Order: sequence, then structure tokens, then C-alpha cells
Amino acid sequence: DGGITQSPKYLFRKEGQNVTLSCEQNLNHDAMYWYRQDPGQGLRLIYYSQIVNDFQKGDIAEGYSVSREKKESFPLTVTSAQKNPTAFYLCASSILSGGDAEAFFGQGTRLTVV
Amino acid sequence: ILNVEQSPQSLHVQEGDSTNFTCSFPSSNFYALHWYRWETAKSPEALFVMTLNGDEKKKGRISATLNTKEGYSYLYIKGSQPEDSATYLCAPGGNAGGTSYGKLTFGQGTILTVHP
Repeated sequence: DGGITQSPKYLFRKEGQNVTLSCEQNLNHDAMYWYRQDPGQGLRLIYYSQIVNDFQKGDIAEGYSVSREKKESFPLTVTSAQKNPTAFYLCASSILSGGDAEAFFGQGTRLTVV
Repeated sequence: ILNVEQSPQSLHVQEGDSTNFTCSFPSSNFYALHWYRWETAKSPEALFVMTLNGDEKKKGRISATLNTKEGYSYLYIKGSQPEDSATYLCAPGGNAGGTSYGKLTFGQGTILTVHP
């Protein structure tokens, strides 16, 4: 079955540590996205990538880093520089478009900093 | 940051009621408008993607309209059912100027609860 897989579902991290969230898709999509959701807020865009080895900052990129070495994979690293990393993180993908292609989402990763 | 406003923030209706929500977005450089439904414990799923002014799309009891000149879209649900309970998200996609090619920016969502 084609889809987009995020792992792990729940993640706990100690303050000051970097952590990497995995996102893999087998939909052959060129574009991939990372969003963050906080309670009472919508989805805020962290980073997005239209093609391998290229990515753009979204609206809240500070404290995060990404890589796009393979078409199928778009891992997100939450660094110790992120002031408030506890949140729900969603990954999405779509065919390459100017913005009119439907996005497909993973199940999300809930990150808690302890 | 693109300013996308959805209203109301939350809505409680009785089964059988019809309801509608609004998504407001900057009309300049419009490219596309997406609607998604996000049920609890599931992933968001696309309902509609609209690109043309005056566009109207329908899927079962749910329909949406688009006004790109004034920058708003309405989502309608006719005869709400408990299974319609979800968060409904809108997102302008990209922009015609090209500076946000492919970017998908979401509003904060409308939380709909349909009571039996």
C-alpha cells in the first residue's frame, strides 16, 4: 500500500538534546512538508522540499533542520536551539506543483521534552 | 507569514443541522485553495482543491465555494451527522508570484462537533 510513514509515534527527549523525526513516503511524490501543531493552533509550516537536495524554510524554521538526500525521505531534526519543542509534528507529501496538488499526511509524531 | 483566518474556531450543532464555515486569505497572488478534514486520531485528508474564482465543488453532503477576488471560501455541510465531527482546515497553496511556489499554509481550523 502506498502511503506516508512517520516514526516514532511518541518521542520523549531530554532538554538540550537533538532528536530526529523520520518521514518516509512511497507515493513517488517530489514535494514533502513538515508541520507543527500546538494546542489550539493550526498547522504551522516548518520546512518544505520540492526536489531532492533542495528545501525551503517555512514560517517557523528556527531551531529545526532537514535534509532531502532521497526522494522518499525527509527527516526533521529538532535541535536544542528550538525553545519550545514539545508539540505534534506532521509530515506530508504531494506531487510537484505550484500549490494546487492535494497533500497526503502521515500519522504524526508527538514529541515531549522532559 | 500568510494570514489565513478561519471562522468560527469551533462549532457545536445537532444531527441534521446544516452548517458552514469561512476561510479568509489574501486575494493578491492567489493560486489555489485547499480544504482538509482532520478526524481525531487520524491524518488530515483532502476534501477539495480549488483554483478558479467562482469554483464550486461537492462531495456528498459537503460542498465548497471560492471567491478569489475578495479572498474567501465557504465550506457547507448539509444535514450534519456525528461522523462529520472533525477539524476542518483550509490552506492557500503557493502563490501566483512564484515566491512561495508549492508552499501550503494552513489556517487554525474550525472544530466541528455534531451531537446525536
